[in-house]
Amino acid sequence: QSALTQPPSVSGSPGQSVTISCTGTSSDVSAYKRVAWYQQFPGTAPKLMIYEDSNRPSGVPDRFSGSKSGNTASLTISGLQSEDEADYYCTSYTTTSTYIFGTGTKVTVL
Amino acid sequence: QVQLVQSGAEVKKPGDSVKVSCKASGYTFAGYYIHWVRQAPGQGLEWMGWIKPESGDRNNAQKFQGWVTLTRDTSISTTYMDLSRLTFDDTAIYYCALEECSGGHCTGAFDIWGQGTMVTVSS
Repeated sequence: QSALTQPPSVSGSPGQSVTISCTGTSSDVSAYKRVAWYQQFPGTAPKLMIYEDSNRPSGVPDRFSGSKSGNTASLTISGLQSEDEADYYCTSYTTTSTYIFGTGTKVTVL
Repeated sequence: QVQLVQSGAEVKKPGDSVKVSCKASGYTFAGYYIHWVRQAPGQGLEWMGWIKPESGDRNNAQKFQGWVTLTRDTSISTTYMDLSRLTFDDTAIYYCALEECSGGHCTGAFDIWGQGTMVTVSS
């Protein structure tokens, strides 16, 4: 099973909004409400940012939001800040009771 | 405070096996899943499998069927990931991560992560 497809990189100026897409299939992204997003800084473990497509864990700034349409999920960072510069990964539960990660997206704050 | 603490770095030769442990503290052993994820140097995250410590149920990604074994020891709240027939491509950081399930409902969210275990395969 191939990884979910994400753009390799996105960039934006401070204060702008950026959106990262995560494209899968009817066997994963659109099959369940179990898409999650993770933020990772170099040398550290990933951190959960969004779960169940659009829910935000406590402590995650509300400028991070998730959505989904068909086979594509999206993470939007509104009001981009310098500390948001990191790698972001989506993941989804699948119809074979497994999980699959996205290819990862590097967010650069200009 | 919930924590996952993993075993230390390993250096192995091609063809060897490696066993990485993940000890949970600050949480009851029931009602959650432990997932294993790896990340090769400079690469993305790769999901390997999950185990439900309470029951021992488990499932691996198709790629890892037959050469990754997930086990647990409930007496010490520890799960293990055993990877056999190592090759240079298995050089990676291996993470365990916890998915909380409540009342049979699982969120698919890996809430807590271990610190990672570096496994280096070198001749």
